Amino acid sequence: QVQLVDSGGGVVQPGRSLRLSCAASGFIFSNYAMHWVRQAPGKGLEWVAVTSHDGSQKFYADSVKGRFTISRDNSRNTLYLQMNRLRAEDTAVYYCSRTCDFLTGYCAFDYWGQGTLVAVSS
Amino acid sequence: EIVMTQSPATLSVSPGDRATLSCRASQSVRTNLAWYQLKPGQPPRLLIYDASTTATGIPARFSGSGSGTEFTLTISSLQSEDVAVYSCLQYNNRPQFSFGPGTKVDIK
Repeated sequence: QVQLVDSGGGVVQPGRSLRLSCAASGFIFSNYAMHWVRQAPGKGLEWVAVTSHDGSQKFYADSVKGRFTISRDNSRNTLYLQMNRLRAEDTAVYYCSRTCDFLTGYCAFDYWGQGTLVAVSS
Repeated sequence: EIVMTQSPATLSVSPGDRATLSCRASQSVRTNLAWYQLKPGQPPRLLIYDASTTATGIPARFSGSGSGTEFTLTISSLQSEDVAVYSCLQYNNRPQFSFGPGTKVDIK
């Protein structure tokens, strides 16, 4: 069965860095685009970033552009989010999720990781 | 950027009654819209995609309709386990995706 396992969250000071991981199993990872979505405390969902199935195309929300980098290792079936220059407003539960190739199709986010909490605080 | 709005912010419904939730897009998203159920401590659960297609394993009391800019999620007979926040997602404006702020559904 499809499984996405998020990890790497924690408490970090403003201005510091953190790398999240998402381990995928149960499907052909390299066939799917992968996303990061976050939910701040008491807030709604916010799309953060997406990488195409082969990692050649990457796009970001304006709120994280220039600070966050999404990447993937298809040989390890793993998605990453490198978060630099963290701010208090980046505090959220971060989820990985998959869709079909957004370059050629229109697909909802069907499977999600369980989420990993990032708390940015001094 | 497509902005998604949802109404009402909170909806109180008696058990067994119908719940009707609305989602509006700032420009047409055709039928590229999904609905999610959000519960504390759990990942989002896909309920409806392509505006009206029920996802696998979702009870038949959940249904979706609409196209363009106006969408509706209907819970035909509210159960206690349906207490949650419901959020819509547009995936028409690739690669910029956007969620609505959510509607909180509780038991009256």
